[in-house]
Amino acid sequence: DTAVSQTPKYLVTQMGNDKSIKCEQNLGHDTMYWYKQDSKKFLKIMFSYNNKELIINETVPNRFSPKSPDKAHLNLHINSLELGDSAVYFCASSQVSGAQPQHFGDGTRLSIL
Amino acid sequence: QKEVEQNSGPLSVPEGAIASLNCTYSDRGSQSFFWYRQYSGKSPELIMFIYSNGDKEDGRFTAQLNKASQYVSLLIRDSQPSDSATYLCAVNEDGTASKLTFGTGTRLQVTL
Repeated sequence: DTAVSQTPKYLVTQMGNDKSIKCEQNLGHDTMYWYKQDSKKFLKIMFSYNNKELIINETVPNRFSPKSPDKAHLNLHINSLELGDSAVYFCASSQVSGAQPQHFGDGTRLSIL
Repeated sequence: QKEVEQNSGPLSVPEGAIASLNCTYSDRGSQSFFWYRQYSGKSPELIMFIYSNGDKEDGRFTAQLNKASQYVSLLIRDSQPSDSATYLCAVNEDGTASKLTFGTGTRLQVTL
């Protein structure tokens, strides 16, 4: 009964490839997020969706494209992967209010060769 | 640029002592404050959240907020080796739906 689940857990691929990460939450939350945690462990918001609508879009290369088919799912597609994309990507969810805590998935460790 | 600052540590405390973790933030309009614990190789796990000035206690954890000084802290009483982890402070910006800004985290080591 995992609350926020991401797949895959590990992703190792070559530079220039395209890959996707999937996220699903069963908490009934309205808002979902993608975060990137770099090698220095700094956690930074990339995108946020509320009820399938994009509400936060930080300065992220347009090679990154989020998609939310419904409020329980948020996927992240990355085109033309670069070495600097190597990081851990976390999905999170919360109720719509900014005052509500966010709950994180286990993360996807992306390594670019 | 809105910032959340934490001492990276490591903060080393003996088992049974009180660990005090501190965080300052730059946006005076911030309204919600969160502490997350992250074990190495794992995801952030919510420990505490606080919205009002003062103290909020939950078991061995106490969050303290002082909006005038733009300061939030986390106290861990009776520290255990299992508390050894990185503690992330996160701040929600006023008027920005659900956007959290994280600090870089403080690594806590509880020694036997």
